[in-house]
Amino acid sequence: GDSVTQMEGPVTLSEEAFLTINCTYTATGYPSLFWYVQYPGEGLQLLLKATKADDKGSNKGFEATYRKETTSFHLEKGSVQVSDSAVYFCAPSNFGNEKLTFGTGTRLTIIP
Amino acid sequence: EPEVTQTPSHQVTQMGQEVILRCVPISNHLYFYWYRQILGQKVEFLVSFYNNEISEKSEIFDDQFSVERPDGSNFTLKIRSTKLEDSAMYFCASSAGGRSNQPQHFGDGTRLSIL
Repeated sequence: GDSVTQMEGPVTLSEEAFLTINCTYTATGYPSLFWYVQYPGEGLQLLLKATKADDKGSNKGFEATYRKETTSFHLEKGSVQVSDSAVYFCAPSNFGNEKLTFGTGTRLTIIP
Repeated sequence: EPEVTQTPSHQVTQMGQEVILRCVPISNHLYFYWYRQILGQKVEFLVSFYNNEISEKSEIFDDQFSVERPDGSNFTLKIRSTKLEDSAMYFCASSAGGRSNQPQHFGDGTRLSIL
């Protein structure tokens, strides 16, 4: 079945630092790839997505590129802010298979 | 922006009791989902629902669980006889289509505590 390996947390960075959260997946076929974010006390929000190889998803300064050859979808941001503190989840979704398979989540804390 | 709403935000129930978690998906969405997240663990898929029937369910979704779309707006998850291990955050989600490039939109969740 599908699986996701996500960078273990927690991750603590200073404001304006560069962020990378690694994500690799195994899936049959050609999945779409998603990053979801969960702010404290809230539900899961779609952060960005990519639907085919070499696509780059971007939103709120975050980026992730669909790397089929390495089955990876690493999340990056050039300069993080305190408001980015949240838990980040990587999730592939297989074509024809509706469910999302979530990684363990990476808790990110940004300190001023 | 339209959103998925879930009620209640927190439900406390005695073990063995029935509980119904409610969700109002986004109005033009056709696919509905339930996930759960036990404290400190990953988000797990429970069930997907389309055209008034279950599309897929996980091993977690046993005979104690059921889903229903009783009217045109609500989507409910029922646990018939709750167990301690059912304590978790339950998330409802909906999407416009079943194709994998249609994102799922999540509610804020219902925290279920079984005593």
